[in-house]
Amino acid sequence: QKEVEQNSGPLSVPEGAIASLNCTYSDRGSQSFFWYRQYSGKSPELIMSIYSNGDKEDGRFTAQLNKASQYVSLLIRDSQPSDSATYLCAVSLTNTGNQFYFGTGTSLTVIP
Amino acid sequence: GAVVSQHPSRVICKSGTSVKIECRSLDFQATTMFWYRQFPKQSLMLMATSNEGSKATYEQGVEKDKFLINHASLTLSTLTVTSAHPEDSSFYICSASTPARHTDTQYFGPGTRLTVL
Repeated sequence: QKEVEQNSGPLSVPEGAIASLNCTYSDRGSQSFFWYRQYSGKSPELIMSIYSNGDKEDGRFTAQLNKASQYVSLLIRDSQPSDSATYLCAVSLTNTGNQFYFGTGTSLTVIP
Repeated sequence: GAVVSQHPSRVICKSGTSVKIECRSLDFQATTMFWYRQFPKQSLMLMATSNEGSKATYEQGVEKDKFLINHASLTLSTLTVTSAHPEDSSFYICSASTPARHTDTQYFGPGTRLTVL
């Protein structure tokens, strides 16, 4: 069973704060990790991908991966109301276009 | 770049009819396309994986005779919901990937909301 778990939330943070989203996965063979943002009624859009242990930063977003702990997180700095959405963690077993396993998503609300 | 389109965006049909949904990769060739279904307040559920020129691989519990998938070219995959029933009402989303782009990143289409009356 390839499980990807996320805290469903809802997570509420004030505008300007740091939002921290967490994801754990069960399969140690997982090699590729993705964070998607999904607004209500819309399809997911890619925010970050990470493949190696450590941090990866892109603007206000930082993805952190720890394969030993089977843990991947997403930090959103200077949170904005427009960041309010559901964040989906996705895990893939190989680097060759294999299927994704999605978490159930964490609902984030940024309060103005 | 990496744009995926879906058509139609919304469809309402009567029970018993068939509905075809198209998924196109507009600026890259998609070696693999995925079809997902999402019910309200739930995560994406993978229905099937299709590779260009070969039969789709369906996930457990998905009826291949009900959900027909054709991946006829590197830019087009279609999902046909045959003899649709109200319980098939859902948000159907396709995604496409190609190793030539970003290893195994999937790019999602905008989705098709199906309502079966």
